Amino acid sequence: GAVVSQHPSWVICKSGTSVKIECRSLDFQATTMFWYRQFPKQSLMLMATSNEGSKATYEQGVEKDKFLINHASLTLSTLTVTSAHPEDSSFYICSADEAEAGRQPQHFGDGTRLSIL
Amino acid sequence: QKEVEQDPGPLSVPEGAIVSLNCTYSNSAFQYFMWYRQYSRKGPELLMYTYSSGNKEDGRFTAQVDKSSKYISLFIRDSQPSDSATYLCAMNYNQGGKLIFGQGTELSVKP
Repeated sequence: GAVVSQHPSWVICKSGTSVKIECRSLDFQATTMFWYRQFPKQSLMLMATSNEGSKATYEQGVEKDKFLINHASLTLSTLTVTSAHPEDSSFYICSADEAEAGRQPQHFGDGTRLSIL
Repeated sequence: QKEVEQDPGPLSVPEGAIVSLNCTYSNSAFQYFMWYRQYSRKGPELLMYTYSSGNKEDGRFTAQVDKSSKYISLFIRDSQPSDSATYLCAMNYNQGGKLIFGQGTELSVKP
């Protein structure tokens, strides 16, 4: 089955630093990737839709200058949390849609646990 | 009112029981329906994917969609302790579109 790899799985860093999270589709090309945030005991909250070769589309209330998304190839999207603060601590999950028309649904990575001290 | 409603549980059942998980939704435009299983500290794993109304079976899992009632279900037969996880329903209007998730139901299967 399709596999989405996310790295790192867990990161702890000091307040004020920037953190980059990678999302890769390992055995298919992903035109579109999605970035979610999940708080404990809550569902996934979509942050942005990442499209290969174009700017990401952010959901209402998500700061695009805070959460930088780059989708430079059909197999890689990155999320950079800039100047991270403790309130940015969360579980970040990416997913990917297969590029071939009619192929669905989204396949998810295993998430990145981000802890800001 | 949320677009997708799902009872968060927690739901606790004995091993071997039949589990019924449900979601209701408000927008009749949804056409694609999914069930994901999420273990603690892991990403969601796709269990079932259905288009429009009807039933779909895969091993111990059966997904049902009733578009007239705006109601979807996931049944787990002969439940096992390894089925203990959070189950999320999700749906969208078209292929490749963003998913709308339910809150997730936390399931615990006791040996």
